[in-house]
Amino acid sequence: NAGVTQTPKFRILKIGQSMTLQCTQDMNHNYMYWYRQDPGMGLKLIYYSVGAGITDKGEVPNGYNVSRSTTEDFPLRLELAAPSQTSVYFCASRGGLAGGWYEQYFGPGTRLTVT
Amino acid sequence: EDKVVQSPLSLVVHEGDTVTLNCSYEVTNFRSLLWYKQEKKAPTFLFMLTSSGIEKKSGRLSSILDKKELSSILNITATQTGDSAIYLCAVVVSSNTGKLIFGQGTTLQVKP
Repeated sequence: NAGVTQTPKFRILKIGQSMTLQCTQDMNHNYMYWYRQDPGMGLKLIYYSVGAGITDKGEVPNGYNVSRSTTEDFPLRLELAAPSQTSVYFCASRGGLAGGWYEQYFGPGTRLTVT
Repeated sequence: EDKVVQSPLSLVVHEGDTVTLNCSYEVTNFRSLLWYKQEKKAPTFLFMLTSSGIEKKSGRLSSILDKKELSSILNITATQTGDSAIYLCAVVVSSNTGKLIFGQGTTLQVKP
């Protein structure tokens, strides 16, 4: 199993450009999450999905969009990039087994710089 | 507003020392608390704690939740340079969605 994979690893965007961060998991997990991590700030939830076709906003959704057409893929779209979106982005997934097991598995991250 | 606070924010110790990292939380709907270790890339899971108060152990690492104090500690004994990392605490605030609220993290540096 590859687990959770993210592409690209690094990206530099100009202000106003758009891009999609890709996230794929091969564990057949229902739950998927997008976080951003700024220095000294921990991880902040951007969007999440509880299954194909179902998404919802997290703590910091402004400037982002998501879709979930399949169980495996959960792309994050940045429209009109701004310097405030410079961050490291992590995708995570969770199986949602019975018994309240909440461990999330994280991808390797995408480092995005907007200049 | 749900909040998770970790202390200290950073810590420098020497190999062999014992460290205690703290995590306190104020959330409306507590389900569980998780600890992660992050070494330059993806966070990796360490422990999940519930209100049962049962201590979790793995080698030199141990953790316990104090539900009265709304806090958790992560202990690392006989530290090694490989323990250098950011330690993240997160609280599950929804059993339906598994949403996590993270603390700021504690950066631990272990010097030889």
